[in-house]
Amino acid sequence: GEDVEQSLFLSVREGDSSVINCTYTDSSSTYLYWYKQEPGAGLQLLTYIFSNMDMKQDQRLTVLLNKKDKHLSLRIADTQTGDSAIYFCAESILDDKVIFGPGTSLSVIP
Amino acid sequence: DSGVTQTPKHLITATGQRVTLRCSPRSGDLSVYWYQQSLDQGLQFLIQYYNGEERAKGNILERFSAQQFPDLHSELNLSSLELGDSALYFCASSPDGASLGYTFGSGTRLTVV
Repeated sequence: GEDVEQSLFLSVREGDSSVINCTYTDSSSTYLYWYKQEPGAGLQLLTYIFSNMDMKQDQRLTVLLNKKDKHLSLRIADTQTGDSAIYFCAESILDDKVIFGPGTSLSVIP
Repeated sequence: DSGVTQTPKHLITATGQRVTLRCSPRSGDLSVYWYQQSLDQGLQFLIQYYNGEERAKGNILERFSAQQFPDLHSELNLSSLELGDSALYFCASSPDGASLGYTFGSGTRLTVV
């Protein structure tokens, strides 16, 4: 079946690195995504990775993909209070359907 | 501003009523997706349209329907509303499929009383 799982909460101190983890079940995933949702707003695409890649770096964001274990992670370096939000992991599968995880609420403590 | 416009932002209505949510996709995007976000169910895919045609269907109730018009804007119709339909309804758009990600609107918050 199609399922994406994430831990629901993460709390870090300002300036530390945050690592948000995600597991997915569908081995035919073609793309995997990280979206950010701030209070009262829609989801914003942060980054995506092709399923044949292991890593992607974009400024403070690093995405790691372990396809064998179906594990995706998002590392945010030097986490700031403005990074407090809900982070959604998502996968697209062969028919272009995108499945979202439940979201991880990141709290940054000043 | 993401470029995807949803109206209205808030809607309060009574059980049994019918409402219409509207979405204008980002300029140039042909695909429109509707999602329902609730506290207990998370983000649930409802339906996708591509250039006016239905392309994929998710967990959409029979009481709900949608369409995409020639100018590519889309409407989601919710009828015989129940308390459990209270949620945030998001529209997203993309040029074609999902590959490079979606652009989301800011959502319509529906409250059924």
